[in-house]
Amino acid sequence: EPEVTQTPSHQVTQMGQEVILRCVPISNHLYFYWYRQILGQKVEFLVSFYNNEISEKSEIFDDQFSVERPDGSNFTLKIRSTKLEDSAMYFCASYGLGSDTQYFGPGTRLTVL
Amino acid sequence: ILNVEQSPQSLHVQEGDSTNFTCSFPSSNFYALHWYRWETAKSPEALFVMTLNGDEKKKGRISATLNTKEGYSYLYIKGSQPEDSATYLCARLFYNQGGKLIFGQGTELSVKP
Repeated sequence: EPEVTQTPSHQVTQMGQEVILRCVPISNHLYFYWYRQILGQKVEFLVSFYNNEISEKSEIFDDQFSVERPDGSNFTLKIRSTKLEDSAMYFCASYGLGSDTQYFGPGTRLTVL
Repeated sequence: ILNVEQSPQSLHVQEGDSTNFTCSFPSSNFYALHWYRWETAKSPEALFVMTLNGDEKKKGRISATLNTKEGYSYLYIKGSQPEDSATYLCARLFYNQGGKLIFGQGTELSVKP
């Protein structure tokens, strides 16, 4: 069964460093998303991406964040200068026409020290 | 503001007990409600997508109902098993086709043998 994959599963970084979180969505899907869950809080939407551009972004998704689909398979989230409050579990999801739901990856746990 | 709430936050039951959780959401401009099951270190797994008022869906021992007029959904587990231990998330689809999901805080279920 097709699945969304994410790498790495856990990333530890120093405050102020750049990180890139990687996702491989389901191959025939067209809509891609990043969500995150800070420990003890709700899973929250960050950004959606369709047709090679951002379709919607939340207030959290400021200039420090960017997304890219550099080739036909990968979808990345970059945080330019990490802050302590960026520590969270980051989920990638994808959705395709004909599918009934968004399919999630297992997440990347980002720890900013 | 689209706010999705779940209760209870956590639940501890014995094997064989039946249990249910609640998801409440704003009822206006409703498109769909999604239920996911999430085990640590795994991808959130889609359980149900519910769209119509009065919908009732079933998957094995798990079932869900939907009331869009009053803005709530119930998830039922009949005869809980230890393998049912997980966090159950509900999420309202913000708009159709490619829209973002707005999540509740989840209900963490622990089933003791």
